[in-house]
Amino acid sequence: NAGVTQTPKFQVLKTGQSMTLQCAQDMNHNSMYWYRQDPGMGLRLIYYSASEGTTDKGEVPNGYNVSRLNKREFSLRLESAAPSQTSVYFCASSSPGQAIDTEAFFGQGTRLTVV
Amino acid sequence: AQSVSQHNHHVILSEAASLELGCNYSYGGTVNLFWYVQYPGQHLQLLLKYFSGDPLVKGIKGFEAEFIKSKFSFNLRKPSVQWSDTAEYFCAVNQYNNNDMRFGAGTRLTVKP
Repeated sequence: NAGVTQTPKFQVLKTGQSMTLQCAQDMNHNSMYWYRQDPGMGLRLIYYSASEGTTDKGEVPNGYNVSRLNKREFSLRLESAAPSQTSVYFCASSSPGQAIDTEAFFGQGTRLTVV
Repeated sequence: AQSVSQHNHHVILSEAASLELGCNYSYGGTVNLFWYVQYPGQHLQLLLKYFSGDPLVKGIKGFEAEFIKSKFSFNLRKPSVQWSDTAEYFCAVNQYNNNDMRFGAGTRLTVKP
């Protein structure tokens, strides 16, 4: 049981390049999330998806797009990377409303550097 | 706007000292509350959670937290910390049945041996 799997683990981009971060969960959770973690700012929600086919903006959506490809997969795309997007990105999943699974389970993170 | 506040940015303790980390939130209504821990170089792991019932919640590794509804607080405590508790601790809140889970800025705990 892998839980939440993110790829890649590390990435260096040049300003203006694009890339997609992949995330998959095998816990049959309804909801999936993308957060970024920056020193002193905790985790900030970029986008979330309450269920397959729906996505919503979080606190810091600008510069990102997401796709909920199916129930398992939720990808995050940077169309034109900027140095301000240098961060550690975490994907998470949960099933809000169900007591057992309502907490978020996190992937291992992607450390992205934009130069 | 909904928010989560953690009062301490960096706490330094000696082993066997007692720990209390503060967390306040600004949501109304029914909330779910969580404390997560992030050990150096690792992803976030759940320490404990509160949904309903007894406001004193016990988690893993001897941690506990108390939900005080009137104060919108969910403080984390541990009677005697160990060097292995050195990590970053995050408080998180979501409204019941709501997918928008928000985190505090985190508190870095350093335990000196």
